[in-house]
Amino acid sequence: DAGVIQSPRHEVTEMGQEVTLRCKPISGHDYLFWYRQTMMRGLELLIYFNNNVPIDDSGMPEDRFSAKMPNASFSTLKIQPSEPRDSAVYFCASSLSRGRANSPLHFGNGTRLTVT
Amino acid sequence: KQEVTQIPAALSVPEGENLVLNCSFTDSAIYNLQWFRQDPGKGLTSLLLIQSSQREQTSGRLNASLDKSSGRSTLYIAASQPGDSATYLCAVVKGGKLIFGQGTELSVKP
Repeated sequence: DAGVIQSPRHEVTEMGQEVTLRCKPISGHDYLFWYRQTMMRGLELLIYFNNNVPIDDSGMPEDRFSAKMPNASFSTLKIQPSEPRDSAVYFCASSLSRGRANSPLHFGNGTRLTVT
Repeated sequence: KQEVTQIPAALSVPEGENLVLNCSFTDSAIYNLQWFRQDPGKGLTSLLLIQSSQREQTSGRLNASLDKSSGRSTLYIAASQPGDSATYLCAVVKGGKLIFGQGTELSVKP
């Protein structure tokens, strides 16, 4: 298995531009998570999906952030318009039945976003 | 509100030494606890998962313990190697969410 695949690996954009981050979870996993990691705040859960349905988006910082999961093999996180404070590493992770025994979270390598 | 704390924030040891990383959490009503490893520029790799009903888990040179009553977990690394250098994070599952500590940055010197 190729693991969780994220694209792009790096994104540099100017303030005000739209940014779209992409994620392909591990085949067969029914949970998908988007996290953001910064030095100041560590790892923060933004939103998670179960069977393509958003379950908890309370971590999404503001309306500029949106996430979709049109099918079991693809998800996007969109920021529009982007701001410098959005600069961070964004991780996608997937798991088989959240929190169950022997079902840890599998992370992608992340997208490093820089907004100038 | 569940808070997860890891001490120390950074640790440097000589190769071959046994070491312990600490994780504490404020709310003992957790579903499970997981230890992860993060290499620079990479995502997180799951090392060990301990269910709330378990006391410890072992994988190779790694042993993780869980004491829910005191809100603590430790990750024991035996005979450390330079390849163990990374940031180690613990995370607890509560209320459907995985809450992470800030991590301990480990450096093992040859």
